[in-house]
Amino acid sequence: GAGVSQSPRYKVTKRGQDVALRCDPISGHVSLYWYRQALGQGPEFLTYFNYEAQQDKSGLPNDRFSAERPEGSISTLTIQRTEQRDSAMYRCASSLAGTGGTYEQYFGPGTRLTVT
Amino acid sequence: AQTVTQSQPEMSVQEAETVTLSCTYDTSESDYYLFWYKQPPSRQMILVIRQEAYKQQNATENRFSVNFQKAAKSFSLKISDSQLGDAAMYFCAYRSGNQFYFGTGTSLTVIP
Repeated sequence: GAGVSQSPRYKVTKRGQDVALRCDPISGHVSLYWYRQALGQGPEFLTYFNYEAQQDKSGLPNDRFSAERPEGSISTLTIQRTEQRDSAMYRCASSLAGTGGTYEQYFGPGTRLTVT
Repeated sequence: AQTVTQSQPEMSVQEAETVTLSCTYDTSESDYYLFWYKQPPSRQMILVIRQEAYKQQNATENRFSVNFQKAAKSFSLKISDSQLGDAAMYFCAYRSGNQFYFGTGTSLTVIP
């Protein structure tokens, strides 16, 4: 595919369950970002990878949230023991490079997570 | 901390007219980048225009242009000859290093 893909597109889970959200970036893109977007708000930075290295995880709200990108391509955002306040759109974005130039971020369609 | 403020939650414009969306940001950095993203009802995020802080010349992309005032930390988006397809949520974003910060968005309605 030509763009960033995310799966699942929609996820409904019960409070206390773990969820794993997948992001498949554009081939060759070095940098990968995870964001959370509440309805009516802008995207909120969660974490950032350069290749397989997690460069910045300062936006992860607490230790129930974790992310990995073991082979420098596909990334997984995991939320353990989900709570209702975790309900949001989770977006992934990739770019050719992270820190240099005005490299555009290409956003995926997002995963809409609902915790009941 | 860097923050991005969009003070207009909603704006409307007549088709073919011009509208300006405002954005201000707070930073102590001298090297950074600014962006406007469009989010239509499909909720995709589409880059509209970008600006490097070190460039004094305002960026322009067809009907979209910015008014970048570095000293005032202001980065407004002007949409000329508005079209129905311009109706969307618009987000201003600031990037320094590897972190992006987004504003809360402005919902633009285009009136036929």
